[in-house]
Amino acid sequence: AQSVTQPDIHITVSEGASLELRCNYSYGATPYLFWYVQSPGQGLQLLLKYFSGDTLVQGIKGFEAEFKRSQSSFNLRKPSVHWSDAAEYFCAVARYSSASKIIFGSGTRLSIRP
Amino acid sequence: EAGVAQSPRYKIIEKRQSVAFWCNPISGHATLYWYQQILGQGPKLLIQFQNNGVVDDSQLPKDRFSAERLKGVDSTLKIQPAKLEDSAVYLCASSFGGTTDYEQYFGPGTRLTVT
Repeated sequence: AQSVTQPDIHITVSEGASLELRCNYSYGATPYLFWYVQSPGQGLQLLLKYFSGDTLVQGIKGFEAEFKRSQSSFNLRKPSVHWSDAAEYFCAVARYSSASKIIFGSGTRLSIRP
Repeated sequence: EAGVAQSPRYKIIEKRQSVAFWCNPISGHATLYWYQQILGQGPKLLIQFQNNGVVDDSQLPKDRFSAERLKGVDSTLKIQPAKLEDSAVYLCASSFGGTTDYEQYFGPGTRLTVT
Protein backbone atom coordinates (compact mmCIF):
# COMPACT_ATOMS: atom_id res chain seq x y z
CA ALA A 1 0.00 0.00 0.00
CA GLN A 2 1.15 3.50 -0.69
CA SER A 3 2.18 5.83 2.12
CA VAL A 4 3.62 9.28 2.63
CA THR A 5 6.14 10.46 5.20
CA GLN A 6 6.75 14.06 6.13
CA PRO A 7 9.67 13.90 8.54
CA ASP A 8 9.43 17.48 9.78
CA ILE A 9 6.52 18.20 12.10
CA HIS A 10 7.28 21.91 12.50
CA ILE A 11 9.65 24.24 10.67
CA THR A 12 10.38 27.90 11.35
CA VAL A 13 12.04 30.10 8.74
CA SER A 14 12.68 33.81 8.55
CA GLU A 15 10.65 35.93 6.19
CA GLY A 16 12.51 36.23 2.91
CA ALA A 17 14.49 33.04 3.47
CA SER A 18 14.23 30.00 1.25
CA LEU A 19 12.11 27.01 2.18
CA GLU A 20 12.23 23.29 1.56
CA LEU A 21 9.66 20.87 2.98
CA ARG A 22 10.48 17.20 2.73
CA CYS A 23 8.23 14.43 1.53
CA ASN A 24 8.99 10.76 0.96
CA TYR A 25 6.53 8.33 -0.51
CA SER A 26 6.25 4.59 -0.70
CA TYR A 27 4.69 3.14 -3.80
CA GLY A 28 5.78 0.45 -6.21
CA ALA A 29 4.94 2.22 -9.45
CA THR A 30 4.88 5.82 -10.60
CA PRO A 31 2.60 7.68 -8.25
CA TYR A 32 0.57 10.78 -8.57
CA LEU A 33 1.95 13.31 -6.08
CA PHE A 34 0.42 16.41 -4.59
CA TRP A 35 1.15 19.23 -2.19
CA TYR A 36 -1.73 20.89 -0.35
CA VAL A 37 -1.73 23.87 2.00
CA GLN A 38 -4.14 24.38 4.89
CA SER A 39 -4.40 27.77 6.55
CA PRO A 40 -5.96 27.99 10.02
CA GLY A 41 -9.69 27.40 9.86
CA GLN A 42 -9.57 26.75 6.13
CA GLY A 43 -9.92 23.73 3.94
CA LEU A 44 -7.04 22.34 1.93
CA GLN A 45 -5.90 24.08 -1.23
CA LEU A 46 -3.93 22.34 -3.96
CA LEU A 47 -0.51 23.95 -4.49
CA LEU A 48 0.78 21.67 -7.24
CA LYS A 49 0.66 18.14 -8.59
CA TYR A 50 2.90 15.74 -10.48
CA PHE A 51 1.63 13.05 -12.81
CA SER A 52 4.36 12.57 -15.41
CA GLY A 53 6.81 14.45 -17.58
CA ASP A 54 9.05 17.20 -16.28
CA THR A 55 10.14 16.32 -12.76
CA LEU A 56 10.20 19.95 -11.67
CA VAL A 57 6.66 21.13 -11.14
CA GLN A 58 5.56 24.73 -10.75
CA GLY A 59 2.60 25.56 -8.57
CA ILE A 60 0.67 28.49 -7.25
CA LYS A 61 1.96 31.14 -4.86
CA GLY A 62 5.54 30.74 -6.11
CA PHE A 63 5.97 27.14 -4.93
CA GLU A 64 7.67 24.38 -6.85
CA ALA A 65 8.42 20.71 -6.19
CA GLU A 66 10.83 18.22 -7.64
CA PHE A 67 10.07 14.54 -8.14
CA LYS A 68 13.12 12.33 -7.57
CA ARG A 69 12.30 8.72 -8.30
CA SER A 70 15.67 7.43 -7.05
CA GLN A 71 15.04 8.98 -3.64
CA SER A 72 11.26 8.46 -3.57
CA SER A 73 10.95 12.10 -2.73
CA PHE A 74 8.79 15.05 -3.73
CA ASN A 75 10.13 18.03 -1.81
CA LEU A 76 8.40 21.39 -1.86
CA ARG A 77 10.45 24.57 -2.28
CA LYS A 78 10.03 28.30 -2.33
CA PRO A 79 12.92 30.73 -2.87
CA SER A 80 11.62 33.46 -0.57
CA VAL A 81 8.83 32.95 1.98
CA HIS A 82 6.28 35.56 2.99
CA TRP A 83 4.52 35.84 6.34
CA SER A 84 1.31 34.72 4.62
CA ASP A 85 2.92 31.35 3.86
CA ALA A 86 2.55 30.32 7.50
CA ALA A 87 0.26 27.29 7.36
CA GLU A 88 0.16 23.50 7.45
CA TYR A 89 1.50 21.74 4.38
CA PHE A 90 0.47 18.24 3.35
CA CYS A 91 2.13 15.97 0.85
CA ALA A 92 -0.11 13.34 -0.70
CA VAL A 93 0.09 10.37 -3.05
CA ALA A 94 -2.42 8.57 -5.22
CA ARG A 95 -2.23 5.39 -7.21
CA TYR A 96 -2.04 5.66 -10.98
CA SER A 97 -4.99 3.33 -11.28
CA SER A 98 -7.10 5.27 -8.82
CA ALA A 99 -6.00 8.84 -8.90
CA SER A 100 -9.01 10.10 -6.99
CA LYS A 101 -8.04 8.15 -3.86
CA ILE A 102 -5.45 10.29 -2.15
CA ILE A 103 -3.36 9.32 0.87
CA PHE A 104 -2.12 12.27 2.91
CA GLY A 105 1.01 12.65 4.99
CA SER A 106 0.80 13.91 8.55
CA GLY A 107 1.73 17.45 7.60
CA THR A 108 4.44 20.01 8.31
CA ARG A 109 3.54 23.17 10.15
CA LEU A 110 5.39 26.19 8.81
CA SER A 111 5.98 29.24 11.00
CA ILE A 112 7.50 32.46 9.69
CA ARG A 113 9.88 34.47 11.82
CA PRO A 114 9.56 38.26 11.19
CA GLU B 1 -17.66 30.02 -8.70
CA ALA B 2 -18.87 29.13 -5.23
CA GLY B 3 -16.72 26.71 -3.28
CA VAL B 4 -17.63 23.69 -1.22
CA ALA B 5 -19.96 24.66 1.59
CA GLN B 6 -20.13 22.91 4.94
CA SER B 7 -22.20 23.41 8.06
CA PRO B 8 -22.02 23.75 10.91
CA ARG B 9 -18.47 25.05 11.28
CA TYR B 10 -18.21 23.99 14.89
CA LYS B 11 -20.08 21.48 17.01
CA ILE B 12 -19.68 20.38 20.61
CA ILE B 13 -21.56 17.33 21.84
CA GLU B 14 -21.36 14.84 24.67
CA LYS B 15 -20.34 11.26 24.06
CA ARG B 16 -23.17 8.94 23.04
CA GLN B 17 -25.06 11.84 21.42
CA SER B 18 -25.64 12.00 17.69
CA VAL B 19 -24.50 14.66 15.23
CA ALA B 20 -24.91 15.40 11.55
CA PHE B 21 -22.81 17.39 9.12
CA TRP B 22 -23.91 18.82 5.83
CA CYS B 23 -21.96 19.42 2.63
CA ASN B 24 -22.88 21.15 -0.60
CA PRO B 25 -20.29 20.50 -3.32
CA ILE B 26 -19.30 22.72 -6.19
CA SER B 27 -22.02 22.78 -8.82
CA GLY B 28 -21.50 20.11 -11.44
CA HIS B 29 -19.06 18.05 -9.41
CA ALA B 30 -20.00 14.41 -9.55
CA THR B 31 -17.59 13.09 -6.95
CA LEU B 32 -17.90 13.91 -3.27
CA TYR B 33 -15.60 12.90 -0.43
CA TRP B 34 -15.78 12.99 3.35
CA TYR B 35 -12.51 13.05 5.27
CA GLN B 36 -11.73 12.89 8.97
CA GLN B 37 -8.76 14.95 10.12
CA ILE B 38 -7.63 14.26 13.67
CA LEU B 39 -5.42 16.90 15.26
CA GLY B 40 -1.82 16.50 14.15
CA GLN B 41 -2.67 14.14 11.31
CA GLY B 42 -3.46 14.38 7.65
CA PRO B 43 -7.00 13.88 6.38
CA LYS B 44 -8.21 10.31 6.14
CA LEU B 45 -10.85 9.34 3.61
CA LEU B 46 -14.08 8.09 5.17
CA ILE B 47 -16.30 7.74 2.13
CA GLN B 48 -16.37 8.62 -1.56
CA PHE B 49 -19.50 9.10 -3.66
CA GLN B 50 -19.81 9.16 -7.42
CA ASN B 51 -23.12 10.91 -8.08
CA ASN B 52 -25.37 9.26 -5.48
CA GLY B 53 -23.56 5.93 -5.38
CA VAL B 54 -20.85 4.89 -2.92
CA VAL B 55 -17.46 4.23 -4.53
CA ASP B 56 -15.41 3.56 -1.41
CA ASP B 57 -16.49 3.35 2.22
CA SER B 58 -13.84 0.91 3.39
CA GLN B 59 -12.63 3.21 6.16
CA LEU B 60 -16.02 4.33 7.40
CA PRO B 61 -16.83 2.93 10.89
CA LYS B 62 -20.20 1.68 9.81
CA ASP B 63 -21.35 0.76 13.30
CA ARG B 64 -21.64 4.46 14.13
CA PHE B 65 -21.04 6.49 10.98
CA SER B 66 -23.40 6.81 8.06
CA ALA B 67 -23.47 9.03 5.01
CA GLU B 68 -25.83 9.66 2.18
CA ARG B 69 -25.91 11.72 -0.96
CA LEU B 70 -29.46 11.97 -2.13
CA LYS B 71 -30.03 13.17 -5.69
CA GLY B 72 -26.28 13.23 -6.26
CA VAL B 73 -25.78 16.73 -4.90
CA ASP B 74 -25.76 17.53 -1.16
CA SER B 75 -24.48 15.05 1.34
CA THR B 76 -24.85 14.44 5.05
CA LEU B 77 -22.51 12.57 7.36
CA LYS B 78 -23.93 11.30 10.65
CA ILE B 79 -22.33 9.91 13.78
CA GLN B 80 -24.51 7.99 16.21
CA PRO B 81 -23.48 7.50 18.96
CA ALA B 82 -20.39 9.68 19.15
CA LYS B 83 -17.25 8.63 20.99
CA LEU B 84 -14.47 10.79 22.41
CA GLU B 85 -12.13 9.63 19.64
CA ASP B 86 -14.46 11.10 17.03
CA SER B 87 -13.23 14.58 17.96
CA ALA B 88 -11.76 15.85 14.70
CA VAL B 89 -12.32 18.14 11.76
CA TYR B 90 -14.61 16.65 9.14
CA LEU B 91 -13.75 17.83 5.67
CA CYS B 92 -15.90 17.58 2.60
CA ALA B 93 -14.34 17.74 -0.85
CA SER B 94 -15.64 17.48 -4.37
CA SER B 95 -14.20 16.93 -7.80
CA PHE B 96 -15.56 17.04 -11.31
CA GLY B 97 -15.29 13.29 -11.55
CA GLY B 98 -14.25 10.81 -14.17
CA THR B 99 -11.23 8.59 -14.49
CA THR B 100 -8.79 11.41 -15.20
CA ASP B 101 -9.94 13.92 -12.64
CA TYR B 102 -7.65 14.32 -9.67
CA GLU B 103 -8.18 17.79 -8.29
CA GLN B 104 -10.29 17.84 -5.18
CA TYR B 105 -11.71 21.08 -3.83
CA PHE B 106 -12.11 21.20 -0.07
CA GLY B 107 -14.63 22.92 2.13
CA PRO B 108 -13.62 24.70 5.36
CA GLY B 109 -14.54 21.72 7.52
CA THR B 110 -16.62 21.12 10.62
CA ARG B 111 -14.71 20.95 13.89
CA LEU B 112 -16.34 18.39 16.18
CA THR B 113 -15.54 18.21 19.86
CA VAL B 114 -16.92 15.26 21.81
CA THR B 115 -16.82 15.69 25.60
